Amino acid sequence: DTEVTQTPKHLVMGMTNKKSLKCEQHMGHRAMYWYKQKAKKPPELMFVYSYEKLSINESVPSRFSPECPNSSLLNLHLHALQPEDSALYLCASSQPGQVDYGYTFGSGTRLTVV
Amino acid sequence: GQQVMQIPQYQHVQEGEDFTTYCNSSTTLSNIQWYKQRPGGHPVFLIQLVKSGEVKKQKRLTFQFGEAKKNSSLHITATQTTDVGTYFCAGYNDMRFGAGTRLTVKP
Repeated sequence: DTEVTQTPKHLVMGMTNKKSLKCEQHMGHRAMYWYKQKAKKPPELMFVYSYEKLSINESVPSRFSPECPNSSLLNLHLHALQPEDSALYLCASSQPGQVDYGYTFGSGTRLTVV
Repeated sequence: GQQVMQIPQYQHVQEGEDFTTYCNSSTTLSNIQWYKQRPGGHPVFLIQLVKSGEVKKQKRLTFQFGEAKKNSSLHITATQTTDVGTYFCAGYNDMRFGAGTRLTVKP
């Protein structure tokens, strides 16, 4: 039912692997976000893209590399992750200035690093 | 950046009882949003409050924004099992979430 689509839904990767998480929205939103959520914790902001430009990086380790190829797509490239990076990774979008509608979240990618 | 504190961390109620969760900020908030996350799900936007003293209602849910715009509350009247989940507040400009209140409802 969500209008923000994240793939894959589940991902298991080794510590030497390179993988990418994908997020797509077709609501015309010009702000997109990556959040990380550990079990029983709130979502933690990682990155914000506004009009396809990286506007916020919450001091995230360089093994996480975001990319915004166009206004509808947001990727998160993963390399040399650690087991403690296992979490639910949530993508969200919003329209700057349209404050009444909040953020629309995708269903997330549940990542396990082994 | 601003930090929003949310209490209680957990709340277990009997179906039909009321429930309230509170968010408090050390600084004035320009606005505040509320989200609900069902177990195994993702956060879903409920509402945004912008004006000082604002009160908004959605069926059994009542949202309030304090006069000083430093606190907010969500009150659920006569809880149902469908209300189960974690309720988060978030400062819109800050894009950061409070710790959340996990609500469980006993039928």
